[in-house]
Amino acid sequence: DVKVTQSSRYLVKRTGEKVFLECVQDMDHENMFWYRQDPGLGLRLIYFSYDVKMKEKGDIPEGYSVSREKKERFSLILESASTNQTSMYLCASSLGQGRNQPQHFGDGTRLSIL
Amino acid sequence: AQSVAQPEDQVNVAEGNPLTVKCTYSVSGNPYLFWYVQYPNRGLQFLLKYITGDNLVKGSYGFEAEFNKSQTSFHLKKPSALVSDSALYFCAVTLSGGYQKVTFGTGTKLQVIP
Repeated sequence: DVKVTQSSRYLVKRTGEKVFLECVQDMDHENMFWYRQDPGLGLRLIYFSYDVKMKEKGDIPEGYSVSREKKERFSLILESASTNQTSMYLCASSLGQGRNQPQHFGDGTRLSIL
Repeated sequence: AQSVAQPEDQVNVAEGNPLTVKCTYSVSGNPYLFWYVQYPNRGLQFLLKYITGDNLVKGSYGFEAEFNKSQTSFHLKKPSALVSDSALYFCAVTLSGGYQKVTFGTGTKLQVIP
């Protein structure tokens, strides 16, 4: 089975801090994604990557950046955390460039910005 | 632009009764459609997908979904609900062109009552 591991389940940070969320997948998937999940809003795509060192903006990239130096690892960076970035963050991966491949999700990081 | 609508925030059904979770989509072209399930404090899990072919798609845990092109719908169904089916369900759509970007609905909470 595909395993997508997010480094922290719960994280508490302060306003203005630089925050790193890490995600690792073990199935050699080309595509990796970062979403945030908020009640009533569903999942919103922040960034995705289809190859090492490649990245594309999603629907809500403002205030975030990403890094993909190795195929298995995709990091989300909050450059200067703000309270409106308090949310559940989900990482996902999928195989190849085929649009018909399902995404495999990690269990999420619940981030609180104080 | 592509979009997904899940018109019901919550669906309640008695155990043993059939269940339906509704999803409609809007895309410019042929859609690929997915259903995912999320249990509390977990990431999303893939249930089933429609790519092409038979309009009735069977997936995990006894779930199925019916693709209706004329009504642009992809409703999730199960003949007999279990209490353990209680969870949050997400419909998702993706489209041709570019790399895989998926749009998720806002989710429907399914409550199966014993």
